[in-house]
Amino acid sequence: AQSVSQHNHHVILSEAASLELGCNYSYGGTVNLFWYVQYPGQHLQLLLKYFSGDPLVKGIKGFEAEFIKSKFSFNLRKPSVQWSDTAEYFCAVNQAAAGNKLTFGGGTRVLVKP
Amino acid sequence: EAGVAQSPRYKIIEKRQSVAFWCNPISGHATLYWYQQILGQGPKLLIQFQNNGVVDDSQLPKDRFSAERLKGVDSTLKIQPAKLEDSAVYLCASSSLTGSPNEKLFFGSGTQLSVL
Repeated sequence: AQSVSQHNHHVILSEAASLELGCNYSYGGTVNLFWYVQYPGQHLQLLLKYFSGDPLVKGIKGFEAEFIKSKFSFNLRKPSVQWSDTAEYFCAVNQAAAGNKLTFGGGTRVLVKP
Repeated sequence: EAGVAQSPRYKIIEKRQSVAFWCNPISGHATLYWYQQILGQGPKLLIQFQNNGVVDDSQLPKDRFSAERLKGVDSTLKIQPAKLEDSAVYLCASSSLTGSPNEKLFFGSGTQLSVL
């Protein structure tokens, strides 16, 4: 069965610090990878996605993620966070062999201190 | 554009009671999903509709959960009877693409259910 692991449940950091959130998935073959974000009081929304091509994907608000196939990873990064980046971040994966059903990781709550 | 609408926003019930949630997807979106998000976990797909047909309900506890999308637009999710472990946020999402891996899901704000 598909599974997605996010290493950190909670991350606390100060403004201007760099952020990296880990994401690993359990299955081989061709996958499609996503990061969704949920800001306080708001709904889940897409941050970025990878389907093919350049494994370094750039998303909204200065976020980027790197797909490393050999490590089954899709880590999210931002060089310098802002207070407004306080949110919960979810990694998600789908695969054609599994009917393109989207499987989410457990999420990482990020708190950026001003 | 209007987003995915869900109601109610919050619901508190006692175990063994029944509850229903409503979702109105983005206009024109053929695909509709219901997800369950238990506190501290990521969303888990319960059921996926394509228009008014069910595409995937493999993770729906069919002994107590039911969902319908009769006219291919609005959808309702029902729990009868509720158990304590059903306490969660129930998210509705929609997409304009049909089972494509490229599809971007648009989520509603969810209904937070507390079963006492």
